Amino acid sequence: SAVISQKPSRDICQRGTSLTIQCQVDSQVTMMFWYRQQPGQSLTLIATANQGSEATYESGFVIDKFPISRPNLTFSTLTVSNMSPEDSSIYLCSVEATGVYTFGSGTRLTVV
Amino acid sequence: QKEVEQDPGPLSVPEGAIVSLNCTYSNSAFQYFMWYRQYSRKGPELLMYTYSSGNKEDGRFTAQVDKSSKYISLFIRDSQPSDSATYLCAMSDGLRGYQKVTFGTGTKLQVIP
Repeated sequence: SAVISQKPSRDICQRGTSLTIQCQVDSQVTMMFWYRQQPGQSLTLIATANQGSEATYESGFVIDKFPISRPNLTFSTLTVSNMSPEDSSIYLCSVEATGVYTFGSGTRLTVV
Repeated sequence: QKEVEQDPGPLSVPEGAIVSLNCTYSNSAFQYFMWYRQYSRKGPELLMYTYSSGNKEDGRFTAQVDKSSKYISLFIRDSQPSDSATYLCAMSDGLRGYQKVTFGTGTKLQVIP
């Protein structure tokens, strides 16, 4: 299965600022997925990122708040913009290959 | 009603016990069922997947799917302290990544030496 490097692993940010999370995969993949994992909640899909096209956002998530880049088949970034304490969560990237979903180790974000 | 329901636990068992983790779901279109294990401060890792009713065994782990009851289970035999983690069920209506995967909230398991 693919190996994903995600960074930063954690960060503490001031409200109103933005944080960009990076995800690097060791093989080329068509789709990359960004999830949010809040305490006591299931993993929630934020968006699906295809190389060379706009990301597809799930209900409740918008591009202005969570802009995504996908410049090539092995890399993607998710930016959490104009952060508030409600954005404190774990953010995970994921890829799928032959039906198997692999996750990065996650970014633990705390907004103060 | 949530599409996938999972008992959050926590579940605490002695080493060597048999553990049963369960999920129910409401979407009859789900055909592809997965179990993930997530250690603290790590991303989820795939344990098992199946796309049919019945049992699938892998070492100490057995995944069971009952589509008629919309119920899936993960059994862990001879549980070890290293099995202490959060277990997430997940399901989708297809094999490829183009279908959305829906996760349970996870069950936290602690195996006591």
